[in-house]
Amino acid sequence: QSALTQPASVSGSPGQSITISCTGTSSDVGGYNYVSWYQQHPGKAPKLMIYDVSNRPSGVSNRFSGSKSGNTASLTISGLQAEDEADYYCSSYTITSTLSVVFGGGTKLTVL
Amino acid sequence: EVQLVESGGGLVQPGGSLRLSCAASGFIFSNYWMSWVRQAPGKGLEWVANMKPDGSEKFYVDSVKGRFTISRDNAKNSLYLQMNSLRAEDTAVYYCAKENRYYYGMDVWGQGTTVTVSS
Repeated sequence: QSALTQPASVSGSPGQSITISCTGTSSDVGGYNYVSWYQQHPGKAPKLMIYDVSNRPSGVSNRFSGSKSGNTASLTISGLQAEDEADYYCSSYTITSTLSVVFGGGTKLTVL
Repeated sequence: EVQLVESGGGLVQPGGSLRLSCAASGFIFSNYWMSWVRQAPGKGLEWVANMKPDGSEKFYVDSVKGRFTISRDNAKNSLYLQMNSLRAEDTAVYYCAKENRYYYGMDVWGQGTTVTVSS
């Protein structure tokens, strides 16, 4: 049950686009289209932003998009806004000896 | 309004026990997988356990197997986490989360309850 690998931090200026990567293995990210992304502001609960690799829940801005290639999933935020500054976590189901859930280590997004 | 409210956190000595509760409202609790996710101070999210709607299947992260037990009472719309043999590394905010029925994702989260394991 190793954590998925995310960059510790990314940054961008308002209006720009950024991409956060999430690298796993064929037992998790690469094996299933079961990747989700969460946004967490300081002191708050996480919020679901992307499910099943590339789908947005109702109410989430279309500036957020997800994709996957092989064992790496990505979250792209376009038209960066100040309120996007937060921590972002990817997550995947994993089935090795048993079903479980694994999160990435988290990425701190700074809007310059 | 769909809501999850955790309770039961607190300060406990190493080796001690604590039972967390999560009260659900605004949705048909008995239809959904439910999870516990924790976050140590200054650290990332870590999935702890989840449970099938009817309680017939439960899954745990390796580090809590044999020490933590997830359970639910669908009649009371409540999820529980019994934590025994607590260690300093179990210190965290514990979140209860609802898993969506039709896709992979935890779409509703509680506000969290803080567990501190210290002598």
